[in-house]
Amino acid sequence: EVQLVESGGGLVQPGGSLRLSCAASGFTFKFYGMSWVRQAPGKGLEWVAVISGGVGTEYYADSVKGRLTISRDNSQNTVFLEMNSLRVEDTATYYCAKHVGNSVVSTPDLWGQGTLVTVSS
Amino acid sequence: QSVLTQPPAASGTPGQTVTISCSGSSSNIGSNTLNWHQQLPGAAPKVLIYNNNQRPSGVPDRFSGSKSGSSASLAISGLQSEDEGDYYCASWDDSLTGWVFGGGTRLTVV
Repeated sequence: EVQLVESGGGLVQPGGSLRLSCAASGFTFKFYGMSWVRQAPGKGLEWVAVISGGVGTEYYADSVKGRLTISRDNSQNTVFLEMNSLRVEDTATYYCAKHVGNSVVSTPDLWGQGTLVTVSS
Repeated sequence: QSVLTQPPAASGTPGQTVTISCSGSSSNIGSNTLNWHQQLPGAAPKVLIYNNNQRPSGVPDRFSGSKSGSSASLAISGLQSEDEGDYYCASWDDSLTGWVFGGGTRLTVV
């Protein structure tokens, strides 16, 4: 079964750090682009970052550039989101998504179940 | 203010056909594929349509997508109560070098 399982969410203070993981199974992970998308409580979907398959080219939303970093470990079939200098407005459910191809431009075709990050003092 | 523009709400009665629009520009929908995502209440998003008009396995053919120029639409025929939820369009934007989403359309089956 093709599946994505996120983990690592939780409560963190403003200025703190957190590392999210997304474990993939059921497909040859290294060949596919992966994204992180977030959803603040009661709000719409906001794309955060994407990493290509293969060499791992990265792109970020302006709102997170310089604070959040996407990476992947193809040996572990896992994509990560390193979150630093967290702000209250980063509070959201974070979803990972698989793309249909290697390229960051290829469309997402599978979502995980999400992990909740709460930034609060 | 989302880069892709969707109506905030849509509604229909069981059995009807409802269409949801998504408007963008030449840097996103006009030059890249468009996809649609469904989010039912309390659930994670799910891909409904990818590459403008392709359905993943398991998505009923009641759902169909189309694209023309910098606009796209999602049609849901034979509307059912379980179709109630939020629908989002998304596309890659060449100018922003990132993915952009519409603000979402809340579908109500009355």
